[in-house]
Amino acid sequence: GEQVEQLPSILRVQEGSSASINCSYEDSASNYFPWYKQEPGENPKLIIDIRSNMERKQIQELIVLLDKKAKRFSLHITDTQPGDSAMYFCAASASSSFSKLVFGQGTSLSVVP
Amino acid sequence: AQTIHQWPVAEIKAVGSPLSLGCTIKGKSSPNLYWYWQATGGTLQQLFYSITVGQVESVVQLNLSASRPKDDQFILSTEKLLLSHSGFYLCAWSPRLGQDTQYFGPGTRLLVL
Repeated sequence: GEQVEQLPSILRVQEGSSASINCSYEDSASNYFPWYKQEPGENPKLIIDIRSNMERKQIQELIVLLDKKAKRFSLHITDTQPGDSAMYFCAASASSSFSKLVFGQGTSLSVVP
Repeated sequence: AQTIHQWPVAEIKAVGSPLSLGCTIKGKSSPNLYWYWQATGGTLQQLFYSITVGQVESVVQLNLSASRPKDDQFILSTEKLLLSHSGFYLCAWSPRLGQDTQYFGPGTRLLVL
């Protein structure tokens, strides 16, 4: 089955700089790649997603890149703020009648002043 | 707007005791429903999914079972809890028919002693 690798597991950046999280997947049939942000004690919340018919998607300070040939996708947070500190999870799934989302191991992002 | 509710919010249970966790979604007919488990500090593991009433498929065997007695209700249960069942249980939903986006409920924290 699908496996998703996520790196780094811990990321510490200066406020105002950019943060990048990288994920790779194995199943070439995967065509949907969401990113979730989870704050301590809370449920994961979808922040941005990309489908295989796109290579780049941006929502405000969030940019997602998808390289289908390399089976890699990444999240870039520009101009980070302390409120961006949280756990981030990437995931991948292949479209079907249901969505079997396979998650990466997560990245703990800390934005320091 | 869709709302997803999980109960209870938290539980402390003894090893060997039974467990029943519930999930209800309002404002969306015939959603796909999912159960996830998250160990403390860990990633999200999909346990079950259901695309219709009375039909549940297992993704991972963790000595748990699930049922969908109503279109808007998803139940996770076991007759005998293990220490390894401790964690955060999340219900999620997605629209039917090919849309992969999953939205998580608030979750139930379970501590097995």
